[in-house]
Amino acid sequence: AQKITQTQPGMFVQEKEAVTLDCTYDTSDPSYGLFWYKQPSSGEMIFLIYQGSYDQQNATEGRYSLNFQKARKSANLVISASQLGDSAMYFCAMREWDTGRRALTFGSGTRLQVQP
Amino acid sequence: NAGVTQTPKFQVLKTGQSMTLQCAQDMNHNSMYWYRQDPGMGLRLIYYSASEGTTDKGEVPNGYNVSRLNKREFSLRLESAAPSQTSVYFCASSERAGRHPSSGANVLTFGAGSRLTVL
Repeated sequence: AQKITQTQPGMFVQEKEAVTLDCTYDTSDPSYGLFWYKQPSSGEMIFLIYQGSYDQQNATEGRYSLNFQKARKSANLVISASQLGDSAMYFCAMREWDTGRRALTFGSGTRLQVQP
Repeated sequence: NAGVTQTPKFQVLKTGQSMTLQCAQDMNHNSMYWYRQDPGMGLRLIYYSASEGTTDKGEVPNGYNVSRLNKREFSLRLESAAPSQTSVYFCASSERAGRHPSSGANVLTFGAGSRLTVL
């Protein structure tokens, strides 16, 4: 089974509007963390935001927020006031603590295009 | 502050040739990783090293070997390259994770990537 599922291969949004990128995850580990990374066309991986499984409040970092719905196992990324520079691939990833593995498992990504 | 440096950035190999991808980090991180990225498949873990002296297989280790040379360096070797290994390879590093998900993000810092083509 896929551990991280991103069902939107591509998304379009108008500049200055908000957009939500979906991410669902699958784990039986009570201790886990969820990450979002951005990959612009230049190829580098840029960390955006993190949510721990025990964190009560949704994480926020500037224009990025993580809509964490634990019961539904979803961790959607919300980008407010989209900018042209937000056009990129976005990856959701998860780390599970109790498995002992320290690596992240990534979803297949969503390509976001911001239109002027 | 260089972060994670990987070399080479581009490489073309013929089937059966060998090569080593080099990775070095200057952040005093304990853990290092090698991922590959294929179109439409996101990043898949090849090998990782939780700390100096240890290495573990990831999701797609076949055809690869790794060496954690010291705390700074983690190399990936293709002994006999195959066209299926055409991909973009990313090295990453992170601090030792805390005991609890809320004790730290355990953020991975990535290198710029190495594009490998096997003909």
